[in-house]
Amino acid sequence: EAQVTQNPRYLITVTGKKLTVTCSQNMNHEYMSWYRQDPGLGLRQIYYSMNVEVTDKGDVPEGYKVSRKEKRNFPLILESPSPNQTSLYFCASSKETGPYEQYFGPGTRLTVT
Amino acid sequence: QQPVQSPQAVILREGEDAVINCSSSKALYSVHWYRQKHGEAPVFLMILLKGGEQKGHEKISASFNEKKQQSSLYLTASQLSYSGTYFCGTPRGETSGSRLTFGEGTQLTVNP
Repeated sequence: EAQVTQNPRYLITVTGKKLTVTCSQNMNHEYMSWYRQDPGLGLRQIYYSMNVEVTDKGDVPEGYKVSRKEKRNFPLILESPSPNQTSLYFCASSKETGPYEQYFGPGTRLTVT
Repeated sequence: QQPVQSPQAVILREGEDAVINCSSSKALYSVHWYRQKHGEAPVFLMILLKGGEQKGHEKISASFNEKKQQSSLYLTASQLSYSGTYFCGTPRGETSGSRLTFGEGTQLTVNP
């Protein structure tokens, strides 16, 4: 089954404790992205990757890091989480060629206290 | 720049029609529409390309006015399953669908 998986699905942590949210896709997609979703703000792109070792900032990259060492995986790293990073996070992947449909993972709800 | 969606919310009875609008302050080469049901991930509905080509969902249609930098999503004879939040997304470049900027969303509720 074609899918994007994220782990963990729920995470409660404390300020400053480094964490990683994993994302994996089994569709051999070139593009992968991370979004955060906050009430009233819609989906905002954090980072995206066009392929292995190629990443770029989205609209809200501050406080986040990413890496793309393998085509299927695109982890999101919060080195020193703060309460304003409490949010619902989605990973998505898509093909390099059209129609550019993005497949979203199930989401990770992060709470930073 | 984030596209602007209107209305922010709409409540319908089953069988009624709705229109959701998406406008941008910059030139558009394509508009992407997604629906997110409560507690779920967004799901692709359709993409509208410059030049009028349309792909996507059978029972939901959309238009794309390049000159006005607007797109509209038409939901006719709405069903309960249409409930959810609808997002339009516009790419930063001419063709890249992965670098989307999404609007704030339109919450659609369909009641029996």
